Amino acid sequence: EDQVTQSPEALRLQEGESSSLNCSYTVSGLRGLFWYRQDPGKGPEFLFTLYSAGEEKEKERLKATLTKKESFLHITAPKPEDSATYLCAVQANRDDKIIFGKGTRLHILP
Amino acid sequence: EAQVTQNPRYLITVTGKKLTVTCSQNMNHEYMSWYRQDPGLGLRQIYYSMNVEVTDKGDVPEGYKVSRKEKRNFPLILESPSPNQTSLYFCASKKGQTLYTGELFFGEGSRLTVL
Repeated sequence: EDQVTQSPEALRLQEGESSSLNCSYTVSGLRGLFWYRQDPGKGPEFLFTLYSAGEEKEKERLKATLTKKESFLHITAPKPEDSATYLCAVQANRDDKIIFGKGTRLHILP
Repeated sequence: EAQVTQNPRYLITVTGKKLTVTCSQNMNHEYMSWYRQDPGLGLRQIYYSMNVEVTDKGDVPEGYKVSRKEKRNFPLILESPSPNQTSLYFCASKKGQTLYTGELFFGEGSRLTVL
């Protein structure tokens, strides 16, 4: 069964304190791994798609990396506006289901 | 403006009273999907559709129906709602045919309470 596990569930950081969020996945044939950001009361917003181990993508203070078993979302020198829930999702080769993890709630303190 | 529009945004109803949550997208996307989001359980896929007249079950389809008669619309139907269907519902769409891994665009969500 395909699974996505995110850790930690919640993370509080001081402004400027860099850290990483983890997404472990089990899928029979990865087609793509996705990162989304969700603000309270809003729908998720797309950040990145990663396709193969070793791939990295960056956007402002965020960098996503991928291995054969997990993905990391690195946040460098975060600001309070980076506070949100970050969701990881996977799509397998065999169908069009997209399975989400439970997310990591990130809170950046000023 | 490219968007996915859901209605209603908020609804309180009673057990057994049929309801429909509408979803419409203006991006000419082939793929549309419904998710429910519950505390501690995350986003779970209910149904998805690859194109008109093509629908497939996600991980939690029980108690729900969908239809895709037009490309832009993908309504979610609760024939006989029960309290365990109280949740935050999201509709999403993306372009592309089978196995395309493009960006999902989400609606603003519909918060449903079943008493």
